[in-house]
Amino acid sequence: EPEVTQTPSHQVTQMGQEVILRCVPISNHLYFYWYRQILGQKVEFLVSFYNNEISEKSEIFDDQFSVERPDGSNFTLKIRSTKLEDSAMYFCASDREQNSPLHFGNGTRLTVT
Amino acid sequence: AQKITQTQPGMFVQEKEAVTLDCTYDTSDPSYGLFWYKQPSSGEMIFLIYQGSYDQQNATEGRYSLNFQKARKSANLVISASQLGDSAMYFCAMRDWNSGNTPLVFGKGTRLSVIA
Repeated sequence: EPEVTQTPSHQVTQMGQEVILRCVPISNHLYFYWYRQILGQKVEFLVSFYNNEISEKSEIFDDQFSVERPDGSNFTLKIRSTKLEDSAMYFCASDREQNSPLHFGNGTRLTVT
Repeated sequence: AQKITQTQPGMFVQEKEAVTLDCTYDTSDPSYGLFWYKQPSSGEMIFLIYQGSYDQQNATEGRYSLNFQKARKSANLVISASQLGDSAMYFCAMRDWNSGNTPLVFGKGTRLSVIA
């Protein structure tokens, strides 16, 4: 069964550095998402992406964050000037159509020191 | 705005027994979908079951069933014949359909522990 893949599985970075989290959504999916889960807390929506542009974003997704689909397969989340509170699990997800369940990747655990 | 409430931060169940995880939701949209995801200690999010707001019957998927009570705005997950491998966090989530491709909104989750 096709799946969403995320790399790396764990990223450690120093405060102030930039990180890029990578995702390969399922190939025939059209909608892409990033979610964040701070340790022990609920899963929070960051941004959705469709037709090469952001379709919706949350209050969390400020100017520090950006997303890109640089080619036909990858979907990236860039976090500029990371802060300690950016430490979290970041999940990429995709779906094919509106009333289908989101398929999540295994997540990237980001640790900012 | 959508809202999901899971009132049970933690639950215990004996192996082979059934357990119900509660979920209530709030939305003004008449068309929506309700989802349950499992998150084991390894961290991945595993889709379990889906219920559409217009579905006449409660969704079932193997040992998982969804007790959907639309008038009460509840969508409880029932796990039958619990197994040790069911120990995990369980998240209820919903999406409104009429507002375009809205994001999935999650509850705070319930940690289920299955006891041998």
